Amino acid sequence: GAGVSQSPSNKVTEKGKDVELRCDPISGHTALYWYRQSLGQGLEFLIYFQGNSAPDKSGLPSDRFSAERTGGSVSTLTIQRTQQEDSAVYLCASRLESGTFFGQGTRLTVV
Amino acid sequence: AQSVTQPDIHITVSEGASLELRCNYSYGATPYLFWYVQSPGQGLQLLLKYFSGDTLVQGIKGFEAEFKRSQSSFNLRKPSVHWSDAAEYFCAVGDPGTYKYIFGTGTRLKVLA
Repeated sequence: GAGVSQSPSNKVTEKGKDVELRCDPISGHTALYWYRQSLGQGLEFLIYFQGNSAPDKSGLPSDRFSAERTGGSVSTLTIQRTQQEDSAVYLCASRLESGTFFGQGTRLTVV
Repeated sequence: AQSVTQPDIHITVSEGASLELRCNYSYGATPYLFWYVQSPGQGLQLLLKYFSGDTLVQGIKGFEAEFKRSQSSFNLRKPSVHWSDAAEYFCAVGDPGTYKYIFGTGTRLKVLA
């Protein structure tokens, strides 16, 4: 597609449920990033993919968070046993030489 | 520790006035530097970037930024602000190898008519 696409755009879930957030990067972009934007913490790096491997997972806040990327394209961020502090906007970005481009984000609300 | 500081959380300017948004960074080497803008309900849009060379860089929408190594700063400027510039602005440093970003906390700009 023309840009980075994220789905769903909004997700409301009950505390303790698992959620999956999807990112479709720009075609051909080999690098993919997940960030979290929350009121108290600003914009935080979560994980970086180069192709299908994740050489930097240093920003994942706990073992409830995981991510994968398949076919060098789509990525899924999974949050298990969601907590209220997981409420945030989750942003995906992809990059090629021309630059880094961000999606619109998924707003996650844990109730 | 690597960090980015945007000391102004909120800034209000009148339309047509000049603007300067401050950004200071702490990084082990010379990082790549970026300014992004985020309008309500929108994703992050790149305004400009600095990798090396000329320390004054031009971006989109009439913005420019100046890299000052001695001050570890990368301030964003615009000579005449338009109402449509009201948004939140983020400064970021990027790792030259991975382009992983560390963002500042953002500056929210309000423009008075």
